[in-house]
Amino acid sequence: GEDVEQSLFLSVREGDSSVINCTYTDSSSTYLYWYKQEPGAGLQLLTYIFSNMDMKQDQRLTVLLNKKDKHLSLRIADTQTGDSAIYFCAESITGGGNKLTFGTGTQLKVEL
Amino acid sequence: DVKVTQSSRYLVKRTGEKVFLECVQDMDHENMFWYRQDPGLGLRLIYFSYDVKMKEKGDIPEGYSVSREKKERFSLILESASTNQTSMYLCASSLPQNGKSGNEQFFGPGTRLTVL
Repeated sequence: GEDVEQSLFLSVREGDSSVINCTYTDSSSTYLYWYKQEPGAGLQLLTYIFSNMDMKQDQRLTVLLNKKDKHLSLRIADTQTGDSAIYFCAESITGGGNKLTFGTGTQLKVEL
Repeated sequence: DVKVTQSSRYLVKRTGEKVFLECVQDMDHENMFWYRQDPGLGLRLIYFSYDVKMKEKGDIPEGYSVSREKKERFSLILESASTNQTSMYLCASSLPQNGKSGNEQFFGPGTRLTVL
């Protein structure tokens, strides 16, 4: 079955790097996603990675995928107060139709 | 830009009431989804739809039903609201899965429902 897990909270100082981790159980994942949810808003796609890639970089964001360990991470360089939000990882799987399975979400708090 | 709108941002209902949550998307997406979001549980899929008049149960369909009479509109119905349905409800839409970008989902702003 599908199960996606994340730690619930992360606190960092402004200017430091943040690393948000995610583990998943289904080995037939095709795409893995990172979404951001700001207070009182819906989810916005930040970035995604295809399962045959190990890394993807997009400005301050770096996604690392370890398919052997079924581990996904999101690194935010030079974290700013505007990065404070809940971050969700999600996976889509072969044969899963158009559904995504979401993790529990990680609340990132950026302190001055 | 894709826009997904939800009829209300905040809603307060009483136990036993019938509740309608409406979602509209303007990008001609085939797929639409209803989730509920609860602290520590993430997003859980209630129902989804691949096409007009089609619906599929998600992970937690009990106590809910849906309607998709038009492609752009997907309604979530609570036949008899209960206090354990107090939650944030999120609607999303997507194109069919493709090889270029998978099946990215676009979300509405959410409806925070309180059942008293």
